[in-house]
Amino acid sequence: QQQVKQSPQSLIVQKGGISIINCAYENTAFDYFPWYQQFPGKGPALLIAIRPDVSEKKEGRFTISFNKSAKQFSLHIMDSQPGDSATYFCAAEGSTLGRLYFGRGTQLTVWP
Amino acid sequence: DVKVTQSSRYLVKRTGEKVFLECVQDMDHENMFWYRQDPGLGLRLIYFSYDVKMKEKGDIPEGYSVSREKKERFSLILESASTNQTSMYLCATTGSTEAFFGQGTRLTVV
Repeated sequence: QQQVKQSPQSLIVQKGGISIINCAYENTAFDYFPWYQQFPGKGPALLIAIRPDVSEKKEGRFTISFNKSAKQFSLHIMDSQPGDSATYFCAAEGSTLGRLYFGRGTQLTVWP
Repeated sequence: DVKVTQSSRYLVKRTGEKVFLECVQDMDHENMFWYRQDPGLGLRLIYFSYDVKMKEKGDIPEGYSVSREKKERFSLILESASTNQTSMYLCATTGSTEAFFGQGTRLTVV
């Protein structure tokens, strides 16, 4: 069964807009929640990550919001740019060191 | 810079062939992983390894095996390739938290 559920599957946003991708999990043993960004022809690369002891983490235009009680977390991309067009994966990690459970991905397209 | 190198970017094999996908990392990490990526299905874990000669099944191990004879090298083996194994294969290694991925091998089985 899918350990991490991600939505939407695809997202189209105008340049300058806000992109929001949502993820939900069930396993309360998860204690690390990263987001990966993948450009065509490349492997995924770490974008930003959060641990459940904080509710928000911001790095530049990228923000993770984390709701521990709802077991949900989301990625917000402010002032979205065409260069942000990529596939985004949320993930979760628990007690098995290094094993990541990935969402199914969101293909983001930012129109100029 | 961490490097995870997969031996081939593109591979075309015939049904029934034995296929080897090689992955080498230069970070002296203990953990290595093989994922398969398909549109709409995301990244699915095939096998992983925490140490030399050690392996664990992931979520979709059927039809695959792995080999880890040296710490830096993790090989994925398709014992008898089938058309439903046509996919993008990604190798990864993890340090304390971050996963580093190779560029992927696009395998087509005809």
